[in-house]
Amino acid sequence: SAVISQKPSRDICQRGTSLTIQCQVDSQVTMMFWYRQQPGQSLTLIATANQGSEATYESGFVIDKFPISRPNLTFSTLTVSNMSPEDSSIYLCSVDKGFLEQFFGPGTRLTVL
Amino acid sequence: DQQVKQNSPSLSVQEGRISILNCDYTNSMFDYFLWYKKYPAEGPTFLISISSIKDKNEDGRFTVFLNKSAKHLSLHIVPSQPGDSAVYFCAASDRVRATNKLIFGTGTLLAVQP
Repeated sequence: SAVISQKPSRDICQRGTSLTIQCQVDSQVTMMFWYRQQPGQSLTLIATANQGSEATYESGFVIDKFPISRPNLTFSTLTVSNMSPEDSSIYLCSVDKGFLEQFFGPGTRLTVL
Repeated sequence: DQQVKQNSPSLSVQEGRISILNCDYTNSMFDYFLWYKKYPAEGPTFLISISSIKDKNEDGRFTVFLNKSAKHLSLHIVPSQPGDSAVYFCAASDRVRATNKLIFGTGTLLAVQP
């Protein structure tokens, strides 16, 4: 398994601003993932972040809106840029330890006013 | 296009009885399926998985059944306990074409009544 922490746990932000969410893992992992869960919706993969390479974004998500950093094997950040109320969601990071059973962080609950 | 569907948004069961959560998928290339449990203010926790080469996998009180011809899987919890009350997500993966990518359903809120 893996112990994953996220900061902040929640935030309320103004429209047009940006928020950076941090994800820290207690062990080195190759693949980290960022998901979004909009109210009443399923978890949707935003991007996959591998250390040492550019993040791979899913259809409907772009780097300008959701830039991701992966400076080492235990840490990643996701920035939600130029926020609008539609970005209000829970953002989750997860890691893959090689067995497909991804382990998730506690999530960051974002509200955009 | 919702490739993984959980048509029951909620389910209420008496303690000690069986809980059956259902999941349907549309993509015949999915070959690995997982169930996650999520408590409020926490991230999803992996529960149990099944490969497409099997039709059943059991782990304690939890059993997952896979019917490939119907593109349907179900999670059985026996006996149900109040601590099982949570949102349950099924997820699917096409390990050949999209390694490690999980597609999630919308979840079913299970309430186990004491």
